[in-house]
Amino acid sequence: GEDVEQSLFLSVREGDSSVINCTYTDSSSTYLYWYKQEPGAGLQLLTYIFSNMDMKQDQRLTVLLNKKDKHLSLRIADTQTGDSAIYFCAETLSNFGNEKLTFGTGTRLTIIP
Amino acid sequence: AAGVIQSPRHLIKEKRETATLKCYPIPRHDTVYWYQQGPGQDPQFLISFYEKMQSDKGSIPDRFSAQQFSDYHSELNMSSLELGDSALYFCASSTVGGGRRTGELFFGEGSRLTVL
Repeated sequence: GEDVEQSLFLSVREGDSSVINCTYTDSSSTYLYWYKQEPGAGLQLLTYIFSNMDMKQDQRLTVLLNKKDKHLSLRIADTQTGDSAIYFCAETLSNFGNEKLTFGTGTRLTIIP
Repeated sequence: AAGVIQSPRHLIKEKRETATLKCYPIPRHDTVYWYQQGPGQDPQFLISFYEKMQSDKGSIPDRFSAQQFSDYHSELNMSSLELGDSALYFCASSTVGGGRRTGELFFGEGSRLTVL
């Protein structure tokens, strides 16, 4: 999406940490999401963060939000081969009756054995 | 737990034909969204419905129409198909939780449309 930007590719060695970055432009976004898409599959919600938070941790996943810089990152600890996928960040205004998501361009994560 | 069900999973059509995609949201979800993901692209919002009324409209071509029925399932109708309509079409659903919208969308596996 033109308003949400991500690096297209990231390669990480198995066992290392992966950090996927995202820059968004709508400062009024209320929720920011990370979705995972494996080849030929649907979109799997990994985690999300509310805009009044600056960090959220969920097992191997850590989300950091810098609202001032409109920067969102997803850190995957101890990256495994099963983490190979495209990761999309997305934002929404979450108005009542409408959670229209604007997706980033997606980052293809490749795991090096 | 029940998820969002989309059908058909795969569909092959020729140019100028018509296609209909169906989406069955998670039970008790009142809002349905349609997204289009072209090859190598990010998903683009097409249209959404809340309580059977259109709630928002994105980059949906005039050749496409959609509706949400009384049982909350939704159908996306696509006419005069073009080669560029070949894409993965996702449906997602959401609902209000405890009186406040949670902001979570739950996606189906998608319907892959190929136009020849």
